This record gives sequence, C-alpha cells and structure tokens, in this order.
Amino acid sequence: EPEVTQTPSHQVTQMGQEVILRCVPISNHLYFYWYRQILGQKVEFLVSFYNNEISEKSEIFDDQFSVERPDGSNFTLKIRSTKLEDSAMYFCASSEDRLNIQYFGAGTRLSVL
Amino acid sequence: KNEVEQSPQNLTAQEGEFITINCSYSVGISALHWLQQHPGGGIVSLFMLSSGKKKHGRLIATINIQEKHSSLHITASHPRDSAVYICASENTGNQFYFGTGTSLTVIP
Repeated sequence: EPEVTQTPSHQVTQMGQEVILRCVPISNHLYFYWYRQILGQKVEFLVSFYNNEISEKSEIFDDQFSVERPDGSNFTLKIRSTKLEDSAMYFCASSEDRLNIQYFGAGTRLSVL
Repeated sequence: KNEVEQSPQNLTAQEGEFITINCSYSVGISALHWLQQHPGGGIVSLFMLSSGKKKHGRLIATINIQEKHSSLHITASHPRDSAVYICASENTGNQFYFGTGTSLTVIP
C-alpha cells in the first residue's frame, strides 16, 4: 500500500539553527499538510498546500516557517531559527483531493536543545 | 477559530462492549475527520464526513450538522482498538482544528 514517508525520524538541533523536515507524499496526491504535536498535547494544524502554493496556514505558521515542493515529489517544512518551543513531533499528510481522507507519515521528532 | 470538544477524555471498556466517543464543534464546517493515534504515535485517518453516516468494518461515524455534533462508535470492541481517537474539524478554507483526543483502553 502506498505510504507517506518522512525523514529523518528524529532530528536533534541547537536553538537558533535551521532545520528542514522532509516528506514524500503519495505520488498521485495533490493536497499536502504539515501538523505538529507537542509532547502530551493535541495535534495542531500548521499549513495546507495545493497547486504549489499555501492554501491555508495557522497562527503558529509564522515567518520562521516555510514550505516547499522543490522537485514534484518532496514536500519540505523549513524552520529558519529554531526555538526550544519548536520541539515536537511533526507530521506530514497528503490526500488525493479535498473530498478524501488524509494519509499521515510516521512523523519526525524534533528536539531543540 | 473552531472549538472542538471531545468526550470522554478517557474510556475503559471490556472486550466486546459497544463504545461511543463524542465530538462537538462551535462553528460551521466543511468536513469532520476522525483519526486514530496508536500508542507509538502514528496517526491513521478513519473517516471524513460532512453529513449522515459512514461505516467501515466495526467502526461507524455519524454527524449532525444542525447540532454541530459527531459520534464515533465501535461495535464489538477488541483490545487492538486501544488507542487515542481524535476528531478534527475542517473549515471551508482548508484549515483544521483538533480535539484533545479520547484515550480508549479495551481490556480482554
């Protein structure tokens, strides 16, 4: 069965460093999403992406965040200058269209020291 | 912003019991999602619905748009159903708001 792949599974970084989290969505999917879940808290929406542009973003997704689909297969989330409070599990998801369920990757655990 | 509330927060059931998890939301939506988060953290989408009822195996999801309420039912529960069940609202702008989840434990 096709799956969404996220790399790395665990990323450790120093505060102030830039990180790029990578996702390979399912190949025929057109809608892409990033979510985060701080340990012990609920899942939070970050951004949705369609047709090579952001469809919607949350208040969390400020100027230090950006997303890109550089080569038609990868979908990346960049955090420019990480803060301690960015430590969380980051999930990527994709869907064929807006009428279908999303498929989630296994997540990347980001630890900012 | 859409406030999404789930109840109960925690639920323990005996194997074979019928389970209901409730979700309410505060503003109109384009769709309501039910997700399952496994103990290891992985997330699986169970249902996306905008009206009526959907069924998949032992799982049934219903939504009442007028009352802004959805339920997830599990028939003949099994220990492998033990997980956190999360509802999330999707607005017309493709933005999502998540509930805090219902932690279900099914005892053999």
